[in-house]
Amino acid sequence: DGGITQSPKYLFRKEGQNVTLSCEQNLNHDAMYWYRQDPGQGLRLIYYSQIVNDFQKGDIAEGYSVSREKKESFPLTVTSAQKNPTAFYLCASSIQGRGEQFFGPGTRLTVL
Amino acid sequence: GENVEQHPSTLSVQEGDSAVIKCTYSDSASNYFPWYKQELGKRPQLIIDIRSNVGEKKDQRIAVTLNKTAKHFSLHITETQPEDSAVYFCAASPSSGGYQKVTFGTGTKLQVIP
Repeated sequence: DGGITQSPKYLFRKEGQNVTLSCEQNLNHDAMYWYRQDPGQGLRLIYYSQIVNDFQKGDIAEGYSVSREKKESFPLTVTSAQKNPTAFYLCASSIQGRGEQFFGPGTRLTVL
Repeated sequence: GENVEQHPSTLSVQEGDSAVIKCTYSDSASNYFPWYKQELGKRPQLIIDIRSNVGEKKDQRIAVTLNKTAKHFSLHITETQPEDSAVYFCAASPSSGGYQKVTFGTGTKLQVIP
């Protein structure tokens, strides 16, 4: 399961705390994405980035922030402004202009 | 924006029977339709995809059909096996320059009963 990794696998946070989820890929892919997965709701796009130092909001960006300082890395910060952050978070990457997305193993975030 | 609807949400079949999952999309500009399989506790993985210039595509026991006029596409799994049990997601994607935003359906949980 190389290629795209996420850490940690499980994450617990107290209300009011910011937390950062890591996503790294060694596939040399230009595009990277963050999705949130909730039961019965499929995969919803939070943020995406096509190139370094550039990123755009997805469908549910409120309460989240990202950075893309390196091609290999696309960390996601879940801020205290996110009202319901408990979810499974998936990072993905793809070759620019190609459809298939490669997913990481995911991080399950639980707010206590 | 694009809206993808997927049915059914759950599907139980006997081993050896066929399974069909259906999706509809709203954006006529969509031209790429992937299907992902997510086994319990694992990451989604692409199992088959189809582009709008093709009406049907097969890969062993898996096939996908596309009806552009009706804006719907379907996944067909024949001779189902217990290892086919998973959640399946359809998706649709219009090209937009170099980036293709993918909109996913809500998923179908397939259970194959031995």
